[in-house]
Amino acid sequence: EIVMTQSPATLSVSPGERATLSCRASQSVGSNLAWYQHQPGQAPRLLIYDASTRATDIPARFSGSGSGTEFTLTISSLQSEDFAVYYCQQYNTWPLYTFGQGTKLDIK
Amino acid sequence: QLHLQESGPGLVKPSETLSLTCTVSGGSISSTSYHWGWIRQPPGKGLELIGRIYYSGSDYYNPSLKSRVTISVDTSKNQFYLKVRSVTAADTAMYYCARIPLDGPSGVFDYWGQGTLVTVSS
Repeated sequence: EIVMTQSPATLSVSPGERATLSCRASQSVGSNLAWYQHQPGQAPRLLIYDASTRATDIPARFSGSGSGTEFTLTISSLQSEDFAVYYCQQYNTWPLYTFGQGTKLDIK
Repeated sequence: QLHLQESGPGLVKPSETLSLTCTVSGGSISSTSYHWGWIRQPPGKGLELIGRIYYSGSDYYNPSLKSRVTISVDTSKNQFYLKVRSVTAADTAMYYCARIPLDGPSGVFDYWGQGTLVTVSS
């Protein structure tokens, strides 16, 4: 099973600033990496797939990068609605997909 | 707009069976383009894939849960189901259902339900 490790566990950033979230895979997943945003009480939302492709209707301030074992989600100019928990997920090892533990992005 | 909604008891006794339903609206569960999956998140822990099913009934389960889990589908009701047998406190979690595209991209969860909390306690 591929283990996904996210860092940091909590990230405090001020509105308008940039946030950088990391995700590391225990072995290469190529570019088969997705990012999700989860607001309390809401359904998780797919943000990024194939490591760097924004999903439908996702604002351009969200960007993903990386390949192999190291990945980054960057949110430029944080808006109030961006403060949430973010998860990465690998889908290289079909069908056992695995998720990271999450990074909580909160307001500084 | 596709919508998924989980439903079922919020409290289950230890050793009993947890049963949940996912109702899909705004799209057909019989589409040949998607799998339908269950994911859970225990309190304070990460997300875990439980398993997934195709409209034909073809299924897959996480090996860590396979001996206790069954996922089934009813295309006439546009619903799919989860059963977890012999539950313990470790099965206490938020349970989500989600859609999984078969291509473009295959393997992500592109629509999710809001989740339902299931507590295992006597």
